[in-house]
Amino acid sequence: NAGVMQNPRHLVRRRGQEARLRCSPMKGHSHVYWYRQLPEEGLKFMVYLQKENIIDESGMPKERFSAEFPKEGPSILRIQQVVRGDSAAYFCASSPRSGIRTDTNYGYTFGSGTRLTVV
Amino acid sequence: GQQVMQIPQYQHVQEGEDFTTYCNSSTTLSNIQWYKQRPGGHPVFLIQLVKSGEVKKQKRLTFQFGEAKKNSSLHITATQTTDVGTYFCAGLNSGGSNYKLTFGKGTLLTVNP
Repeated sequence: NAGVMQNPRHLVRRRGQEARLRCSPMKGHSHVYWYRQLPEEGLKFMVYLQKENIIDESGMPKERFSAEFPKEGPSILRIQQVVRGDSAAYFCASSPRSGIRTDTNYGYTFGSGTRLTVV
Repeated sequence: GQQVMQIPQYQHVQEGEDFTTYCNSSTTLSNIQWYKQRPGGHPVFLIQLVKSGEVKKQKRLTFQFGEAKKNSSLHITATQTTDVGTYFCAGLNSGGSNYKLTFGKGTLLTVNP
């Protein structure tokens, strides 16, 4: 019963290149959430997707960032023309239904993350 | 926008000493969650508190949610080296979405054996 799988674990890109981060949700989960963690910071919400739909992208920078969750395959977070400030750990989590239920003791299960370094 | 402050930012203790981290939200929360992240690892869910004044225990860990649902604390009794890591609180804004967790910056705990 695989958890949330992210790859690659580490990604090095030169300024101006593209970064593609992949997230495969847990089996049976159709909701995916991406969070970004800057060095020595907490996680910050980026985007919430369901299969083939972007539900909330209010945490995504307006330019250069995009996300998708196709009918088949993993969710992809794409960063075009990376800059040094994009260096961070990017985590995704998944759930079988929308969001967090307050009548249970379950939180998000995060993947191992992708640590992006822009040089 | 909602802000969640956490103190202290760092805490170094001798093994066996107690440890507490505090979390304060600028807005009322519908819940508070706590996560632990080991160095180089990913956040792992520890617990969720929902009710005003709620207290929950997990072995040596005690979690509290304030009466006003704006603050929380995590207390570890008799720390061990396995407790090393960064502890984050995270909450959902009351009346807001049920998926957009706002995280504090975390408290990094180091334990001297």
